[in-house]
Amino acid sequence: KNEVEQSPQNLTAQEGEFITINCSYSVGISALHWLQQHPGGGIVSLFMLSSGKKKHGRLIATINIQEKHSSLHITASHPRDSAVYICAVPSYGGSQGNLIFGKGTKLSVKP
Amino acid sequence: GAGVSQSPSNKVTEKGKDVELRCDPISGHTALYWYRQSLGQGLEFLIYFQGNSAPDKSGLPSDRFSAERTGGSVSTLTIQRTQQEDSAVYLCASSAGTRGGNQPQHFGDGTRLSIL
Repeated sequence: KNEVEQSPQNLTAQEGEFITINCSYSVGISALHWLQQHPGGGIVSLFMLSSGKKKHGRLIATINIQEKHSSLHITASHPRDSAVYICAVPSYGGSQGNLIFGKGTKLSVKP
Repeated sequence: GAGVSQSPSNKVTEKGKDVELRCDPISGHTALYWYRQSLGQGLEFLIYFQGNSAPDKSGLPSDRFSAERTGGSVSTLTIQRTQQEDSAVYLCASSAGTRGGNQPQHFGDGTRLSIL
């Protein structure tokens, strides 16, 4: 069964800083998900990626399938980026099984 | 509807009572998932539906938990004889494809369940 590790668990940054959140997993997968959970609890799917890099606004997600590692970057961070960021992968690798989730990275961006 | 809808948004009940939580997925989404998030904890898988069938119930914590889905749409999660450890946010998600990682999942806002 897949295992997911995220780092750091907590991250405090000043507005404008470049942010990196890391995710590693143990069993090869077909796609990895990055989710954002707002302080109010709502969860939004940010990216689903299986190779290379995806960009949406100031958010960039990369994945290295061989190294079983993904990163989420935020450029020019803003206080509204404050949230918990969660990565998730299929529980049995490939595309099989429900998603299992990392414990999340709590990001706080100070003005 | 435009997104996944869950009701109620908050539920407070006494220990020992039964509760029903409802999820309305995005129209046309065949896959539906229930998750639980306890205070300070990560997301925990409970059950998955493909259409009206539940091929994976492995995450249900005890036989007090059950779920059904009708018409390939609305799903209800029922907790019988609630215990204090059942207090959590219960989240529902739906996706267009089959189970697994190849389709984005769309989440509802959750039901915050508090057992007194």
